[in-house]
Amino acid sequence: SQKIEQNSEALNIQEGKTATLTCNYTNYSPAYLQWYRQDPGRGPVFLLLIRENEKEKRKERLKVTFDTTLKQSLFHITASQPADSATYLCALERAGNNRKLIWGLGTSLAVNP
Amino acid sequence: SQTIHQWPATLVQPVGSPLSLECTVEGTSNPNLYWYRQAAGRGLQLLFYSVGIGQISSEVPQNLSASRPQDRQFILSSKKLLLSDSGFYLCAWGGHYYGYTFGSGTRLTVV
Repeated sequence: SQKIEQNSEALNIQEGKTATLTCNYTNYSPAYLQWYRQDPGRGPVFLLLIRENEKEKRKERLKVTFDTTLKQSLFHITASQPADSATYLCALERAGNNRKLIWGLGTSLAVNP
Repeated sequence: SQTIHQWPATLVQPVGSPLSLECTVEGTSNPNLYWYRQAAGRGLQLLFYSVGIGQISSEVPQNLSASRPQDRQFILSSKKLLLSDSGFYLCAWGGHYYGYTFGSGTRLTVV
């Protein structure tokens, strides 16, 4: 069955450093990979989407890479700020039109001032 | 701009009582709509999705049901709640080309 793994341990970093979060998947042929931010008690907020034929996508301080050989995506936040503290979720959509995302459990990020 | 409204924000219901959660979308037409549940320590679980009025696909067999009476309205229902129905319910719309937009969620506690 399809499986997505994200760092289960919380990531603590110092303000100004780069945060790197990992999303690994198995038994899957993704067409799209998405990253979301979720704050406590709120719904996820879409951040970035990367397609299977793209290696990298950037948006302001955010960068996502997608390696279909390693079956891995990395999510980077450069010049991190305390306001970046949240849980970050990755989600995959399979090739084919089934409209279903497979979600990771998320990684909690804490940026310390 | 597109917005999604979901209510109520919190709900405490006794076991065996009915449930109705409503979600509406503004600023778009014929959206794909989704109901998710997020239990503590678990990932987002897709419950239902709809590609149009009256078209509902169920992902998880359970005592919940969904309906889409209007293009931008999506309703999650139950005739009799179970303790295991407790969780954080999220409505979403969107598609794989541009990500999904989630509502603010409903925290349901069945007691």
